[in-house]
Amino acid sequence: EAGVAQSPRYKIIEKRQSVAFWCNPISGHATLYWYQQILGQGPKLLIQFQNNGVVDDSQLPKDRFSAERLKGVDSTLKIQPAKLEDSAVYLCASSPPWGDSPLHFGNGTRLTVT
Amino acid sequence: AQSVTQPDIHITVSEGASLELRCNYSYGATPYLFWYVQSPGQGLQLLLKYFSGDTLVQGIKGFEAEFKRSQSSFNLRKPSVHWSDAAEYFCAVGGYTGTASKLTFGTGTRLQVTL
Repeated sequence: EAGVAQSPRYKIIEKRQSVAFWCNPISGHATLYWYQQILGQGPKLLIQFQNNGVVDDSQLPKDRFSAERLKGVDSTLKIQPAKLEDSAVYLCASSPPWGDSPLHFGNGTRLTVT
Repeated sequence: AQSVTQPDIHITVSEGASLELRCNYSYGATPYLFWYVQSPGQGLQLLLKYFSGDTLVQGIKGFEAEFKRSQSSFNLRKPSVHWSDAAEYFCAVGGYTGTASKLTFGTGTRLQVTL
C-alpha cells in the first residue's frame, strides 16, 4: 500500500511569513494526526482528525497555527505568522479508526524559520 | 494524563553486543505500547506494539520488548546489534478514546553503534 505522503520535504522562511504543509494519508485511514518534532525531542501532537472532524487540538497554538481536513482525506497545516521557535519537523500520520492500530508516519516536512 | 519517560538520551554499543533501551510509562488504564525507530531525515517506522496477551512481543529487525505492568515498563531489546540499527528510538503510549487512538511519545534514545 502507498504510504503517507507529505510535501514539501523542506521549507525555509523568514519569521513573520506564512507557510503551509500538505498531507495525504493512507487510503481508508479515517484518523489523521499532525505532530511537531523539535530537534532532540519526541513528536508532540498538534491536532488529530477523525474523518473531517477535530478530535483533539488542545496543543495547537491557535493564534498562529490552523489545520483543516476537507472531505476527510487530505489535510493542510498552516502557520501564520511563523516564529523562530516553530523550526521543527512536522510529521503527518494516519491510522484506521479502531483502537488497536498503530500510526503510519510520513517522512515529514523540515521547517527552518530564520 | 499519559506520559512516557526514556531515561537514556544517548547509548553507544559495539556491533554484535546486546542492547536494551528503557521505557517507563504512565497511563490510567491498560495501555497500548509502541516502539518506533527514526533514521535521519525519515519518518517514524513501527518496530513493535503491545495491546494485550503475551507480555513479550516480537517485532521487526530482530527486536523484542517486554511489558511489565508492575514496573510500568516496556523495554526494547535486541540480542546482537548491527551497524544499521544506529538511529533514534521512540517509545510511545496510547489508548483508545472511543473515537480514535491517542499517542504520546517519549523524548527518544539515540543509538550509536561502533564497529
